[in-house]
Amino acid sequence: DTGVSQDPRHKITKRGQNVTFRCDPISEHNRLYWYRQTLGQGPEFLTYFQNEAQLEKSRLLSDRFSAERPKGSFSTLEIQRTEQGDSAMYLCASNFLLAGGPQETQYFGPGTRLLVL
Amino acid sequence: QKEVEQDPGPLSVPEGAIVSLNCTYSNSAFQYFMWYRQYSRKGPELLMYTYSSGNKEDGRFTAQVDKSSKYISLFIRDSQPSDSATYLCAIKNYGQNFVFGPGTRLSVLP
Repeated sequence: DTGVSQDPRHKITKRGQNVTFRCDPISEHNRLYWYRQTLGQGPEFLTYFQNEAQLEKSRLLSDRFSAERPKGSFSTLEIQRTEQGDSAMYLCASNFLLAGGPQETQYFGPGTRLLVL
Repeated sequence: QKEVEQDPGPLSVPEGAIVSLNCTYSNSAFQYFMWYRQYSRKGPELLMYTYSSGNKEDGRFTAQVDKSSKYISLFIRDSQPSDSATYLCAIKNYGQNFVFGPGTRLSVLP
C-alpha cells in the first residue's frame, strides 16, 4: 500500500491519560499535515511539517498537543492529559511541495478515531 | 462569517439524478479549489482539483469555479448509490493552509 497510513485506527482512553498517534506519509512527500475532524465538520488544521521542520501550528493546538517528525518521514502526534473535548478523528495528510512551485493538493490517511471517556 | 460555507444537507436524490453541490467562500485571495469525498469513518479522498475560474471535468464529475462570485460547485452526473458520502470543499491560497467546508452529506437512493 503506497498511500498515507495511520496507526492506530481507533483509540479509547480515559480522561487524563496520554495518547500517541503515528502517521506514515506517502514516501516521496516532503510535507505532512495533521488535522482534527469532529462530527459534522470538515477537517481543521492543527500543524504541518516540511521535512523534519514544524513550520506552523494552529491556535487550536494547545500546549497539551505535541507533534514530531524526527527524520522527515513518519510523524507522531501526542496528546497529554486527554480531555473529553479531544474526542475526534485525527487525520494525517501529505503532499510534495517544490520550492517556488505551484501548491499541490494533499492526500489523506484513514484517520485515528479517538474517544476520551 | 466563516471562511468556507456549505449546506450540510442531507441531500437525497434518486439514482441517475444530476447532483449539484456548492460552496461559498469569503476570501477573494483563494486560488486553489478542491473537492474531497469522505465515506463514513474514512479519511477524505481527493476528487477534483482546480486552479482559477472555469470548469474541469473528470468522468461523471465536473468542478466549476466562479471567483467573481466566490462560489464553487461540484456536479455529479448519473449519480450512483456508491456516490453516497460527505462531500467536502477545500480552498487555499499560495503559502497558506487548506480551509475546509463542513461538508454536504449526500444519499443516492437506488
